[in-house]
Amino acid sequence: GAVVSQHPSWVICKSGTSVKIECRSLDFQATTMFWYRQFPKQSLMLMATSNEGSKATYEQGVEKDKFLINHASLTLSTLTVTSAHPEDSSFYICSADLILAGGNTGELFFGEGSRLTVL
Amino acid sequence: RKEVEQDPGPFNVPEGATVAFNCTYSNSASQSFFWYRQDCRKEPKLLMSVYSSGNEDGRFTAQLNRASQYISLLIRDSKLSDSATYLCVVNIQAGTALIFGKGTTLSVSS
Repeated sequence: GAVVSQHPSWVICKSGTSVKIECRSLDFQATTMFWYRQFPKQSLMLMATSNEGSKATYEQGVEKDKFLINHASLTLSTLTVTSAHPEDSSFYICSADLILAGGNTGELFFGEGSRLTVL
Repeated sequence: RKEVEQDPGPFNVPEGATVAFNCTYSNSASQSFFWYRQDCRKEPKLLMSVYSSGNEDGRFTAQLNRASQYISLLIRDSKLSDSATYLCVVNIQAGTALIFGKGTTLSVSS
């Protein structure tokens, strides 16, 4: 099946530093990738929609200057958490939409997630 | 009102039990429906899609009631390995992001 790879799986950083998370679709092209965030005991919340070759679309309340998204190719999207603070500590998960000959399947494939801890 | 609502549980059941989870969604234009499973500190994984006619996959049965905007998941003959959080998921339109419920936690004990 389709595979989405996310890296790093976990990262610990000091407050004020920036952290980059990569999301790759390994055996398919993804024109659209989605970035979610999940706090403990909470649901996955959509942060932004990443579109290849264009600017990302951010959900209300998500700072685009803080969470930089780059989708430069059909197989790679990156999320950079700039000047991270302890409140940014969370589980960040990317996902990609598998598009078959008949169109979008509606099913998303998820990366393994990146657990960020900001000290 | 939240877009997708679930009873968070936890549901604590013995092996072999039958357990049912319910979910409601607010957007009547929703087109696709899924149940995902999420293990602790892991990414969600698709358990099954949910169709209007109802569908079954082994011990798992999913039902959709569009009129009531209600989705259910039934697990028969629970196994220890079924212990996880079950996420009710809705898609408004193919190609857009999935909308997740908060999840229902199931704990199966021997």
